[in-house]
Amino acid sequence: AQTVTQSQPEMSVQEAETVTLSCTYDTSENNYYLFWYKQPPSRQMILVIRQEAYKQQNATENRFSVNFQKAAKSFSLKISDSQLGDTAMYFCAFMKRDTGNQFYFGTGTSLTVIP
Amino acid sequence: EPEVTQTPSHQVTQMGQEVILRCVPISNHLYFYWYRQILGQKVEFLVSFYNNEISEKSEIFDDQFSVERPDGSNFTLKIRSTKLEDSAMYFCASSDSPPKDQEAFFGQGTRLTVV
Repeated sequence: AQTVTQSQPEMSVQEAETVTLSCTYDTSENNYYLFWYKQPPSRQMILVIRQEAYKQQNATENRFSVNFQKAAKSFSLKISDSQLGDTAMYFCAFMKRDTGNQFYFGTGTSLTVIP
Repeated sequence: EPEVTQTPSHQVTQMGQEVILRCVPISNHLYFYWYRQILGQKVEFLVSFYNNEISEKSEIFDDQFSVERPDGSNFTLKIRSTKLEDSAMYFCASSDSPPKDQEAFFGQGTRLTVV
């Protein structure tokens, strides 16, 4: 079974500062994907960033980057130069590569960017 | 930008009643999903649907649940006889390939309250 743990229910950061959201997971799979999804208040969940487990290089998307530590089963999200629009619930998710049909989500971290 | 739309945004129903949650996936997408999130808990996979049939389902998706794509545009989730514990936010998602290959797009959810 796959489990995803986000140990920070709530976080806050000053505008323009950097924040890191934590995620750990447990799996016996060797090939899988990891994702961070963002859900702004009353809006859809949207993909922030994706990491393929066989790639050693950490994924980056503009101000968003991950620190993927496969041996430690850790997948943290770093948001640089935080903006007010980053205020949202952030979900870490896991997907097996072979089936690729089902996300396993964490409980989410509610991030508030303070002006 | 195309998006997944869900209706209604909030549904209140009496225990034992049937309820249908509706989703309009993005028009060229082929893979469809339902997830749910009980308040304070993880987002959980319910079912995936491809080529007019269920491709995967979780233990939660028992005989009380069914899905249908009745007209080529809507994707519905039916709960035959609702229980109090069915109260949750239900998310629909779609993608044009398995989400391990392409981004999955989520709707903003239907909050179901069973009283």
